[in-house]
Amino acid sequence: AAGVIQSPRHLIKEKRETATLKCYPIPRHDTVYWYQQGPGQDPQFLISFYEKMQSDKGSIPDRFSAQQFSDYHSELNMSSLELGDSALYFCASSLGWVAVGTDTQYFGPGTRLTVL
Amino acid sequence: DAKTTQPPSMDCAEGRAANLPCNHSTISGNEYVYWYRQIHSQGPQYIIHGLKNNETNEMASLIITEDRKSSTLILPHATLRDTAVYYCIVSLPGYSTLTFGKGTMLLVSP
Repeated sequence: AAGVIQSPRHLIKEKRETATLKCYPIPRHDTVYWYQQGPGQDPQFLISFYEKMQSDKGSIPDRFSAQQFSDYHSELNMSSLELGDSALYFCASSLGWVAVGTDTQYFGPGTRLTVL
Repeated sequence: DAKTTQPPSMDCAEGRAANLPCNHSTISGNEYVYWYRQIHSQGPQYIIHGLKNNETNEMASLIITEDRKSSTLILPHATLRDTAVYYCIVSLPGYSTLTFGKGTMLLVSP
């Protein structure tokens, strides 16, 4: 079965640079979520989109922005990168809430961002 | 505040059943219990979820107590590939945020 695709899988940037992470949800899924996992930490919710509209917002820095496009893929844009932004970034997708169970989130393999 | 409490680590012998407990004493009536696992640095993997009835799928079984204040995830025949951090999460259906706690590091040994 098709899974969530994230690109790139690895990214190395310098401080103060920008980065763009991409997420391609499972086909027919209309909801996308972004999570950040720092070294030795648990995943933390950043932001989500349903039908191209922001649906929920977590602890996402103001330097980060995200959007969902008409084909439902999503991009996380990160500017003025800091050393502390080094982390795994996971995207998850779901069908959206039609009935209990359809909103189960399925995660991608993640993008490992290293800021030097 | 953490909504779930799990032991930080557990060991299990390969081929034996792994029983992972979770306390969620403040769970509300319409919140579901979800279980995910994360194998080292991979994306979290959905395992199972339930409301109040016991649930079973091809991966695991979920036993929820009658008062819904705790649950147990059962891996019937653990393999080395089941070594992972297991997260118990309570969430409203249709609510987008998954709040990951500390989870249980399950180590399956030969």
